[in-house]
Parts: sequence; C-alpha cells; structure tokens
Amino acid sequence: DAKTTQPTSMDCAEGRAANLPCNHSTISGNEYVYWYRQIHSQGPQYIIHGLKNNETNEMASLIITEDRKSSTLILPHATLRDTAVYYCIVRVAMGYQGAQKLVFGQGTRLTINP
Amino acid sequence: KAGVTQTPRYLIKTRGQQVTLSCSPISGHRSVSWYQQTPGQGLQFLFEYFSETQRNKGNFPGRFSGRQFSNSRSEMNVSTLELGDSALYLCASSLGTALNEKLFFGSGTQLSVL
Repeated sequence: DAKTTQPTSMDCAEGRAANLPCNHSTISGNEYVYWYRQIHSQGPQYIIHGLKNNETNEMASLIITEDRKSSTLILPHATLRDTAVYYCIVRVAMGYQGAQKLVFGQGTRLTINP
Repeated sequence: KAGVTQTPRYLIKTRGQQVTLSCSPISGHRSVSWYQQTPGQGLQFLFEYFSETQRNKGNFPGRFSGRQFSNSRSEMNVSTLELGDSALYLCASSLGTALNEKLFFGSGTQLSVL
C-alpha cells in the first residue's frame, strides 16, 4: 500500500497561507491523492484531490510534484476554524472488481493562531 | 441533499456482547465503506461494499462483519466485543468505486466497550 508521511503538527497565523506538505513516494501511477480534515471526533471532511495536475477549489489548492512523490495542500487565508487534523491520503486500487480503499497516515495537527 | 447518516451516535457495551451499527449513504450513492479510528492505530479500513457485494476487507478478525442492502444502506456487526474494539466507527459513501470519486464521511458512531 502506498503510505503517506506528514509532519505531526504545524502552526500558522490567522490570515496567512497554511502550507501542509505530504510525502507519498510509493504512490502508483493511477492512484489519487486526497486531502481530508477532521475536527475533534467528527467525520473527516473532504477538501480536495488530484492525480498529477495542480487542483484548486473553493477551500484549498493542491500542488503535486511532477514525479508525484509529494504534494502540498495550501489553505490561502487560514482562519481559526481551519484548526483541525489534516490527512493526506492515497486512494489505493486493490486490483480486482473495482475494489479500493483509503490509506490514512497519522495526519498533521494544524493550529491556527490569532 | 442529506449527508451520510450513522446511527447510533454513541453506544456503550460490555465485553462479550455484540453490536450492530447502521449507515445510510447519500441518496444515489452505491458504494459504502467502513473505517475504524482509535488513538493508537489511527484510521483503518474495515470493509467496502458496492451493490450489496463486499469488494474488499481490511485486516480485521472475523468478529467484524458487514452487509449492504438493496437500498445501499449498510450495517456492520461486531461480535464478542473486546475492550480494544472501543473506537469511532466511520462510514463513507461515494457514487461508485472509481478512484477519482469523492468519499463523504458520516459523523461516526462512538463505541465504548466496558
């Protein structure tokens, strides 16, 4: 399974851009990178996903390196409500009958400071 | 559109008992997967169902089982509960099983085994 490696924790000032890095050096060619976040004891919330091109939506931007071995999630103007655990995940194909699963790492605890 | 609904939200059981958790996916979603979250192991994949068929199962003992009904609702069952089964159980749904389809998570069922 492709695994992801993220910093355990990060801090960012309110109003600044938060840049969260992720390494996924064993990712396969057809596997997508997903980012979710989780606020204490709630279900993970989808943020963004991508294969090899950079992606942007109303929540964030995702920058994937050309070799696909790492990516960065960017929250352009962080607010206090962005304080959460952020998971960089690889969606892994199991190779039969369309089976797939998300492989979670330990996540980054992002704290936005006023 | 209603999100993924999990019931019950909280559950307390004693060792040796069994438990059934329920998940109603987003309307139109046919794929349901289950994850276990504990402080020590993080988020781990349990099973994935699509069109009433189990497509994939994670590395959990046979005490953990599940099923999916024709309306895509899913249940998971844990028999002979152990203290280590205390966890947040999360259900996620998606339209299908393509690797680029978003998964949406419910709020989870917090199971405590005493």
